[in-house]
Amino acid sequence: DIQMTQSPSSLSASVGDRVTITCRASQSISRFLNWYQQKPGKAPNLLIYAASSLQSGVPSRFSGSGSGTDFTLTISSLQPEDFATYYCQQSYSTPLTFGGGTKVDIK
Amino acid sequence: EVQLLESGGGLVQPGGSLRLSCAASGFTFSSYAMTWVRQAPGKGLEWVSGISNSGDSTYYADSVMGRFTISRDNSKNTLDLQMDSLRVDDTAVYYCAKGGEYQLLQNWFDPWGQGTLVTVSS
Repeated sequence: DIQMTQSPSSLSASVGDRVTITCRASQSISRFLNWYQQKPGKAPNLLIYAASSLQSGVPSRFSGSGSGTDFTLTISSLQPEDFATYYCQQSYSTPLTFGGGTKVDIK
Repeated sequence: EVQLLESGGGLVQPGGSLRLSCAASGFTFSSYAMTWVRQAPGKGLEWVSGISNSGDSTYYADSVMGRFTISRDNSKNTLDLQMDSLRVDDTAVYYCAKGGEYQLLQNWFDPWGQGTLVTVSS
């Protein structure tokens, strides 16, 4: 099974900060990496697919990069509505696996 | 608008069974893979099972293999998850999600349903 390791597991940031979350796969997954945002009590929402493609309707302050085993999600200027938990997920092989999540809260 | 609506959750005793359903609308259901993902209280996301658009291919997490069965009815636009031999650690919110066109792999989940809570407890 492919293990997905996210870091950090949590972070505190201020509105306007640049935030970077990393995701590492235990083996190469090419660019088959997706990012989701989840707010409390809500279903996850797709942000980025195929490592760097922005899902329709998602603000351009979100961006993704990486390939192989190392990936990043960047929020260029954190907004109040971005305080949430973020998950990476590999779709290279089954079982599909998620990272443990990164909780972004207010500093 | 794509909509996914889960149902069938509830309280069940350990060793019992439950069948979840997901009603889909707003897209050509028979063209897309579908998946179930769960989230235990206060925990992260765990992929549970997936199925190809035709239903010919099914996939399971090791934790549910042999106990859960995924199926779909393309004539009714519904996705099901039959859960047998339930354990306390199966307690979670279960989400259905739309996968990629035709196949589960090399794709993404979008959108997700609102989830249905399954509680396994004596």
